Amino acid sequence: EAQVTQNPRYLITVTGKKLTVTCSQNMNHEYMSWYRQDPGLGLRQIYYSMNVEVTDKGDVPEGYKVSRKEKRNFPLILESPSPNQTSLYFCASSLWGRENTGELFFGEGSRLTVL
Amino acid sequence: AQSVTQPDIHITVSEGASLELRCNYSYGATPYLFWYVQSPGQGLQLLLKYFSGDTLVQGIKGFEAEFKRSQSSFNLRKPSVHWSDAAEYFCAQFYNDYKLSFGAGTTVTVRA
Repeated sequence: EAQVTQNPRYLITVTGKKLTVTCSQNMNHEYMSWYRQDPGLGLRQIYYSMNVEVTDKGDVPEGYKVSRKEKRNFPLILESPSPNQTSLYFCASSLWGRENTGELFFGEGSRLTVL
Repeated sequence: AQSVTQPDIHITVSEGASLELRCNYSYGATPYLFWYVQSPGQGLQLLLKYFSGDTLVQGIKGFEAEFKRSQSSFNLRKPSVHWSDAAEYFCAQFYNDYKLSFGAGTTVTVRA
């Protein structure tokens, strides 16, 4: 079954404690992206990757890091989480190419709370 | 960054009635536009997309959307809603070849 898998689905942590949210897709997609969803703001792009070892900042990259060492995985790293990073996070992937990249497949989301 | 506006935060509609959700995109010579749906507790699912050609596009679950360049709009419609259509709907615009900008979303409530 084609899917994007995120872990953990739920996490409560404390300020400053490094954490990683993993994302894996089994569709051989080139493009992967991370979004955060906050009430009234919709989804905002954090980082994206067009292929292995190719990543770039989205609209709200501050406080986050990513890596793309393998095509299927695109982890999101919060080196020193702060309460304003409390949010619902989505990983998504798609084939690469102008007419494909907007057709995103989403994971089920990871709800992160930073105390 | 390009911006997408969804003027309606929340819409309530009766089951069996028609539904129209508004979306306005920022100017672009060739806008690539999408509608996504998010059911409670789920990720987003693509309903339909517009790249070029016919201004009326058909999607899944009986939805359609009409692109109007003169109004910078891409409104989503469904002739007869079902209770399962209760969800949050997001309009999105693709820009700079690899960025997808989402609107703030419209929550649809369906009453019996």
